[in-house]
Amino acid sequence: DADVTQTPRNRITKTGKRIMLECSQTKGHDRMYWYRQDPGLGLRLIYYSFDVKDINKGEISDGYSVSRQAQAKFSLSLESAIPNQTALYFCATSDGTSGSYEQYFGPGTRLTVT
Amino acid sequence: GQNIDQPTEMTATEGAIVQINCTYQTSGFNGLFWYQQHAGEAPTFLSYNVLDGLEEKGRFSSFLSRSKGYSYLLLKELQMKDSASYLCAVERGSYIPTFGRGTSLIVHP
Repeated sequence: DADVTQTPRNRITKTGKRIMLECSQTKGHDRMYWYRQDPGLGLRLIYYSFDVKDINKGEISDGYSVSRQAQAKFSLSLESAIPNQTALYFCATSDGTSGSYEQYFGPGTRLTVT
Repeated sequence: GQNIDQPTEMTATEGAIVQINCTYQTSGFNGLFWYQQHAGEAPTFLSYNVLDGLEEKGRFSSFLSRSKGYSYLLLKELQMKDSASYLCAVERGSYIPTFGRGTSLIVHP
């Protein structure tokens, strides 16, 4: 079984709709991240969380919100989706207690906003 | 992202050696990651360099010069399956990595 899972894997939605992308992990890691990836732009950080009660904005947080419901779950919401939020979204985790900050990525969610 | 520069695309021949460079601003630097990402898949960890020098891991090696703000990933004995994007990511004081735009490597027979 995958250590980091994302649901849904693909989603097509319309402009103005609210949608939620979910991420779960079984690695026991304390740190979780949401990135988006656009062709030619690399991975850009949306939000990150170092613990259940810790939420931090990343480079491109406008138009997004997150919830860390438990150590293992980190959800990303688009309050009112717009076409330029069409992208590949990745959740990632890392172990902040180990001294090694290698990130483990989920399989990604391909989101299309029409 | 924060002046992390890598070539956009490189091509190489199966069995050859290729070097993918990454340059970055040195302020607040902690360490540098390399990830591999096949098309449509998640990035996977290759290496993490904190100290100057070369670290070898099988066919892949990663080099770091902290003072020059320079790293490279060296891939030896290239195989077709090495065709992928290679992402350089710089970790600074917050221990949050910032990714470059990635280098797309095409390996041809």
